[in-house]
Amino acid sequence: GENVEQHPSTLSVQEGDSAVIKCTYSDSASNYFPWYKQELGKGPQLIIDIRSNVGEKKDQRIAVTLNKTAKHFSLHITETQPEDSAVYFCAAFGDSNYQLIWGAGTKLIIKP
Amino acid sequence: GAGVSQTPSNKVTEKGKYVELRCDPISGHTALYWYRQSLGQGPEFLIYFQGTGAADDSGLPNDRFFAVRPEGSVSTLKIQRTERGDSAVYLCASSLTGLAAGANVLTFGAGSRLTVL
Repeated sequence: GENVEQHPSTLSVQEGDSAVIKCTYSDSASNYFPWYKQELGKGPQLIIDIRSNVGEKKDQRIAVTLNKTAKHFSLHITETQPEDSAVYFCAAFGDSNYQLIWGAGTKLIIKP
Repeated sequence: GAGVSQTPSNKVTEKGKYVELRCDPISGHTALYWYRQSLGQGPEFLIYFQGTGAADDSGLPNDRFFAVRPEGSVSTLKIQRTERGDSAVYLCASSLTGLAAGANVLTFGAGSRLTVL
């Protein structure tokens, strides 16, 4: 089955700098890769997603890149702000089942 | 409703007791998912409903766990003979149609934190 690994587990960046979180997946049949942001005491919230027919997608300060050959995808946040502090999860989905398989999460800390 | 509502937000129970957790999805969403999240981990899939039926229950850890969605809207996750290892945040999510159908966003509730003493 699918396995998703996420790095780093904790990332501390200066406000205004960029942050990059990386994930790898094992199932080459996976075709949908969402990123979720989870704040303390709340459920995960989708911030961006990408499908396997696209290499990159941007939404304002957030971008996701996908390398299908290497089976990895990354989240890029530019011009980080204090409100970006949260835990970020990557996930992968394949049509072989109905399950999103999640990474272990990255705690992003934005230093003022 | 406007979002996914889960009750209770917190539940403390004793080992061996029975627990029910409720999820009220976004109105009109046919797909409903239960996930379990342990501290410092990503959510772990439990069960997926399409309408009233469980399309995939392969994530339920054992037969102490059961979930229903009798009218295709509200769902209840039921845990019998709770164990300390069941302590976690139980998350519910819904989407307009199932993930396999294409462009669907999973909207999560805030979760029910279960503590088994």
